[in-house]
Order: sequence, then C-alpha cells, then structure tokens
Amino acid sequence: GAVVSQHPSRVICKSGTSVKIECRSLDFQATTMFWYRQFPKQSLMLMATSNEGSKATYEQGVEKDKFLINHASLTLSTLTVTSAHPEDSSFYICSAISGSRADTQYFGPGTRLTVL
Amino acid sequence: KQEVTQIPAALSVPEGENLVLNCSFTDSAIYNLQWFRQDPGKGLTSLLLIQSSQREQTSGRLNASLDKSSGRSTLYIAASQPGDSATYLCAVFTGTASKLTFGTGTRLQVTL
Repeated sequence: GAVVSQHPSRVICKSGTSVKIECRSLDFQATTMFWYRQFPKQSLMLMATSNEGSKATYEQGVEKDKFLINHASLTLSTLTVTSAHPEDSSFYICSAISGSRADTQYFGPGTRLTVL
Repeated sequence: KQEVTQIPAALSVPEGENLVLNCSFTDSAIYNLQWFRQDPGKGLTSLLLIQSSQREQTSGRLNASLDKSSGRSTLYIAASQPGDSATYLCAVFTGTASKLTFGTGTRLQVTL
C-alpha cells in the first residue's frame, strides 16, 4: 500500500517551453502533497506544500509563478515548470501523506528534467 | 532554521565490513528522524523511522540510533554487501514547521 507514482519519469525539453509533471497517490487519498527538487549530488529541498483544493504554500526563494502547482483532487497534484531554462534541470520528487500526519510521507520515484 | 548534516559525504568499504553513517541536526525539537536509501536516479526508500521518544530502531542488518539531546543519529550497517551501495539520507521532521528537512547524504560504495 501507499504507492505514489510520477509521470513522466524523464523529460527533455527546449529552453522556454513549459513542462508538466504529475504526482499520483495510487491507493490512498492524499490530503497533502509535497514537491522537492534535488540537484546533482545534493539533498532534497522542499519547494512547496499543496493541499487539495487550496493554493500551494511555497518555500522561501521558490518562484510561485514559475513553478505552478495544482492539487485538484485527492489523488493528483501537478507541477508545471513554466518557461523552463537550463538552470531548472533537476530531479523533481513528490511525496504524499494521508490524513494530517506529515511526518510519514510516501515518495514518488522522481522525474528527471533536462532543459536544453 | 533546522540544518541537517551527514558525515562522511562519501564512503567506500570492502564487502563484509560493518560501517556507521552519521547524521547531526541543529534543532533538537524534532518529532522523528528517518533514514532513507536512494539509488542513482531513483526515488527514496524508507529504511527506518525513529520517534523522538525512542533511542533506536532495527531492521535486519540495519540499526539506527537517536540521541535527540545532542542532535545526533547513526545508521549502522552490518556485514555490508555490494547491494547496499547507494546514497543514504537522513531527514528530521520538525513539528513546528511541519516538514521534513533532509541531510546532505552519504554516498556508499561497497566493493567486492
């Protein structure tokens, strides 16, 4: 149980285009989902927290207009990287929780974004 | 602001050795601490979770300890195997911030 999937697993795009990454909880309802970014050989950095039906809360230094997060249902959250640039190339990982226990997060397999 | 540091950053050991990975955190007001494994280009696999009231947790060849007052945790791996090669991340959950803060990771390579 508690499986989280991400799609796509890998995406390559041209600079200036927008890319959408999906995060799904397959066997539970995710009241909250988290989006992390991981640069090569670095740790995971929390980008934003999204709750179903409400606006995401972004961490300091994360541009909300560039990284659009939508959590329209209890099983799906999307991260759209708008007008992507090479410096946005990174590994994006989502996680989800069921209920209010944010201390037990279930992680997706990640999405590798490469912007040319 | 919670900061989590892991030492060493990288470690290479021959198969069969016992090893210890270290994690330290600056704010001792944590709710729990978790150890994860990450294979290259992959997501995270949860290994052990220690609640703030606990001192240690064990799973197979893995043993994690927690000294909350000193802000330290260790992950002990017994009889290491090549399949243990991965990056190990520790993360603390701080209740007040209600989020996980990850450490810098230790890249482990177990050689034949």
